[in-house]
Amino acid sequence: QQQVKQSPQSLIVQKGGIPIINCAYENTAFDYFPWYQQFPGKGPALLIAIRPDVSEKKEGRFTISFNKSAKQFSLHIMDSQPGDSATYFCAASSGTASKLTFGTGTRLQVTL
Amino acid sequence: GAVVSQHPSRVICKSGTSVKIECRSLDFQATTMFWYRQFPKKSLMLMATSNEGSKATYEQGVEKDKFLINHASLTLSTLTVTSAHPEDSSFYICSTLGGPGGTQYFGPGTRLLVL
Repeated sequence: QQQVKQSPQSLIVQKGGIPIINCAYENTAFDYFPWYQQFPGKGPALLIAIRPDVSEKKEGRFTISFNKSAKQFSLHIMDSQPGDSATYFCAASSGTASKLTFGTGTRLQVTL
Repeated sequence: GAVVSQHPSRVICKSGTSVKIECRSLDFQATTMFWYRQFPKKSLMLMATSNEGSKATYEQGVEKDKFLINHASLTLSTLTVTSAHPEDSSFYICSTLGGPGGTQYFGPGTRLLVL
């Protein structure tokens, strides 16, 4: 019940495309859903986060869509660039002060 | 976001030695820090929660005597891998709880290689 399932495992898109990464959770106590971006050999960096009281949140080229009834949320990257090539992790927790449960990660490659 | 540093960034040691990794919160006081382990192309696995002034809380399956955590101040937590073995080779990442938005901010990670 603590798992967060993430898909796809890897994704290749052309520059300008809109990669979509999906996550699903079971624990209804989760109420905080951040996305992290990780480059090789670096620590994860917080991209954007959402709470279940909204269905969508945008920050720059990154958008989270949240479906509370389906217990799913997704990350969309608009106008993707080669510099967006990284591994993306979704996560979930019960409140921001609680430990995070991470998804398995999606390796994104944006080609020219 | 908050700034978190780790030292060293990379360490190579011989089997049987102990290695200490430092995690520092540079711009705010962190009463709680987390330690993660990450294998190549895998997700982050939470090892323990470090609380300032008290004992760390370890996740199931993590040996507390093997991975010693000390959180002696509000800006520093240390992870000591005792009697390291090659299977301890991994990427260790800390995070701090607090700062802007009250969310977790991660350090740059420490690559440990045990020969």
